[in-house]
Amino acid sequence: DQQVKQNSPSLSVQEGRISILNCDYTNSMFDYFLWYKKYPAEGPTFLISISSIKDKNEDGRFTVFLNKSAKHLSLHIVPSQPGDSAVYFCAAKESGYALNFGKGTSLLVTP
Amino acid sequence: GAGVSQSPSNKVTEKGKDVELRCDPISGHTALYWYRQSLGQGLEFLIYFQGNSAPDKSGLPSDRFSAERTGGSVSTLTIQRTQQEDSAVYLCASSFTGTGEQYFGPGTRLTVT
Repeated sequence: DQQVKQNSPSLSVQEGRISILNCDYTNSMFDYFLWYKKYPAEGPTFLISISSIKDKNEDGRFTVFLNKSAKHLSLHIVPSQPGDSAVYFCAAKESGYALNFGKGTSLLVTP
Repeated sequence: GAGVSQSPSNKVTEKGKDVELRCDPISGHTALYWYRQSLGQGLEFLIYFQGNSAPDKSGLPSDRFSAERTGGSVSTLTIQRTQQEDSAVYLCASSFTGTGEQYFGPGTRLTVT
């Protein structure tokens, strides 16, 4: 049973524009949310996270928004760069350790 | 480099054989995790170690799967009598504490023929 869902398998964005990646979850006990970025043949790399007590966290070009009532979070990348092309995984956890991952969204940033 | 390393990077095995996958976590990280990613799926949690003990083995898909960790460092995931549905990328991660940010290794791609 998939508790974290990324309904868009792929996304294409022009360089310089905003990329918005979406994630929905079903478990209301999740209290910490993370985004990981993955290049081919490499392990996922932590990108940004947000605690359930916040609704926004910003780190440079990356901002994560959390809407607890809608059980929805999104990752905004602005401006998008070709090097951002990768698979992005949304993950969530309860007050513990095991991460629950979505299936990923493949982002392609075109010049 | 001081990252998480895994070996082998690729493993092809025949159905019914046993395989061992190895993970070297980041030095000083007390927590270690195994995940797997099957084709077209997200990462699926398998097992978590804190030190040498595994308080959560709930993700292991069957009793053919086992894992151990020695010296609070290296971990081995063993799959006995492999089946074709075991084909996946097996990822190891470590973190400084049980709730800290997890750092992933590059994974082992297992193909069972």
